[in-house]
Amino acid sequence: DVKVTQSSRYLVKRTGEKVFLECVQDMDHENMFWYRQDPGLGLRLIYFSYDVKMKEKGDIPEGYSVSREKKERFSLILESASTNQTSMYLCASSTSGAHRLDTQYFGPGTRLTVL
Amino acid sequence: KNEVEQSPQNLTAQEGEFITINCSYSVGISALHWLQQHPGGGIVSLFMLSSGKKKHGRLIATINIQEKHSSLHITASHPRDSAVYICAVYNNNDMRFGAGTRLTVKP
Repeated sequence: DVKVTQSSRYLVKRTGEKVFLECVQDMDHENMFWYRQDPGLGLRLIYFSYDVKMKEKGDIPEGYSVSREKKERFSLILESASTNQTSMYLCASSTSGAHRLDTQYFGPGTRLTVL
Repeated sequence: KNEVEQSPQNLTAQEGEFITINCSYSVGISALHWLQQHPGGGIVSLFMLSSGKKKHGRLIATINIQEKHSSLHITASHPRDSAVYICAVYNNNDMRFGAGTRLTVKP
């Protein structure tokens, strides 16, 4: 079974803090994704990575950066957290050439609150 | 206006009822997906459609490409079907998601 894990289920941070969200997958997938999910807006892609040290901006990369130093791990970084980054963050992974959702495996999500 | 619109936003049903969730989109697509998100966040893919109809157990998904519309039906609904159902469209490595429909099935 593919497993995508995220470091925290719930996280509370203060405005201006640097925040790290970690995602690990155990199926040797090439692609990894970070989404945020907000009521009324649905899922929006922040960044994705198709290989180690490779990254591409999604639809809403502003205020975020990512790091992929190892194939199994994809980190989302909020350099200076702001209240409008309060959201549910979902990580996903998929095999090479597979952006299709039916081959993406999602993690359980991290609900981040920025005070 | 979102490129992917779902209706209704919220739906409450009694156990056993027939459920329909609708998805309309305004962009060209190569495939449409229906996803299920359980309380707690986990998302699973239910269907991928590019034409016609698919059935899996009590779930049926249809798509009308000309009308840019898809429906997800649940027959004999059960409380364990309570979840958020998300429609998403895919084209040229670009994905767009609907805001989701929150379904609550009461016993």
